[in-house]
Formats: sequence, structure tokens, C-alpha cells
Amino acid sequence: AQKITQTQPGMFVQEKEAVTLDCTYDTSDPSYGLFWYKQPSSGEMIFLIYQGSYDQQNATEGRYSLNFQKARKSANLVISASQLGDSAMYFCAMREGGFTGGGNKLTFGTGTQLKVEL
Amino acid sequence: ETGVTQTPRHLVMGMTNKKSLKCEQHLGHNAMYWYKQSAKKPLELMFVYSLEERVENNSVPSRFSPECPNSSHLFLHLHTLQPEDSALYLCASSRVLAGGHNEQFFGPGTRLTVL
Repeated sequence: AQKITQTQPGMFVQEKEAVTLDCTYDTSDPSYGLFWYKQPSSGEMIFLIYQGSYDQQNATEGRYSLNFQKARKSANLVISASQLGDSAMYFCAMREGGFTGGGNKLTFGTGTQLKVEL
Repeated sequence: ETGVTQTPRHLVMGMTNKKSLKCEQHLGHNAMYWYKQSAKKPLELMFVYSLEERVENNSVPSRFSPECPNSSHLFLHLHTLQPEDSALYLCASSRVLAGGHNEQFFGPGTRLTVL
């Protein structure tokens, strides 16, 4: 079974509108972390936001917020006030287990291509 | 400038060549990672080094050989590759810190084409 599922291969949004990118995950580990990354056409992955499984509140970072629904195992990314520069590939990723000292072993989804239009 | 650099940015090689990819991080991190990104597939973790020790080899074929001489540098040595190895190879680094997110910072990648 897929550990990270992103069901939207492509999304379009009008500039200044909000958009939600879906991510569901599958793990039996009570301790895990969820990450969202942005990959512009230049190739590098840019970290956006993090949600820990024990965090009581949904994470927010500027225009990015994470709609974390633990019972549904979903961690959707919400981008408010979309800008043309938000056009990129967006990846959801999961680290299973707590801190080990062995680095973060992330499992990534297949990504969602977001296109922001005028 | 992301703090993680990769060279070369593009590489074309034949199946009998030997080449190396280089990654350098300027962020003071102590874990480094190699990922493979193929078209229409999720990123695949290949290797993880933490405190200069390899802690993960994700069933990667032996034609890929990593080297981490110090906490700032990571290499991926390539030999006798196959055309299906053509992909974007991404390097990343992170802190290893209890209680932290330890998010990974990525380099721009090396676009590898195997002929």
C-alpha cells in the first residue's frame, strides 16, 4: 500500500485565490512527521511546512497552512492568496517514528502540479 | 542560494563510463541524503549518512557507490549504469537534533542521462 497518496496530479487556481492540495498517509506508528515541499521547474526542493503527529494545532507558515485531520490520516496543504510564483510541483512526505539520530528517512508522494493563472 | 550545492548540474554518460556526483552543504548539518527522482515516480531515498556513517542503503544497486568523507561533502560514484538510471539525482542535508523537525534542505539536483 502507498504510504503517501496525492490524488491530484494537477491543479489550477486563479491568482489571489486559496487552493488546497490533498495528501493522505498510511502508518501504524503513533509518532510521525509530515512535511510539504515545493519543487519549481529549476529542480530544487523547498521545505514549506511541518506537522508532527502529536502537535495539537495545525501548522501555519505565512500563506501556508496544514489542515491536519489525524483520524482521517490526511494532511492537506492550504495555500492562501495564490501568487504566480506558487506555480510548481508540491510534494507531501512522511517520516515514520520519532527521533533516532539516524537522520530523517522520508517517504514522498507522487506530487501535485499546481498552476496559478491570472 | 539554498546552502546545498551539487555539481555537475547536467551529466551525460555512456554505460561504460565512470563518473561522480558531488554535493556540498554549507549549513552545518550532520546528515546527508541521496535521492533519485524519475519521471512520474515518487522521490526514492537511496542513501543516508548521519554523522558521516552510512545508516541507510535502500536496496540500491552496487553500480551506485556513495562516499561521505566529512559532514559537508557527499559523493555518488557511478559506474556501468543502465539507461533506466537516467533521472534527477537530488542531494539533501539536515540537522540531527532530538525534538526538532530536522527538515531536509535540498540541492538543485544533477540531471543524469545514461546513453
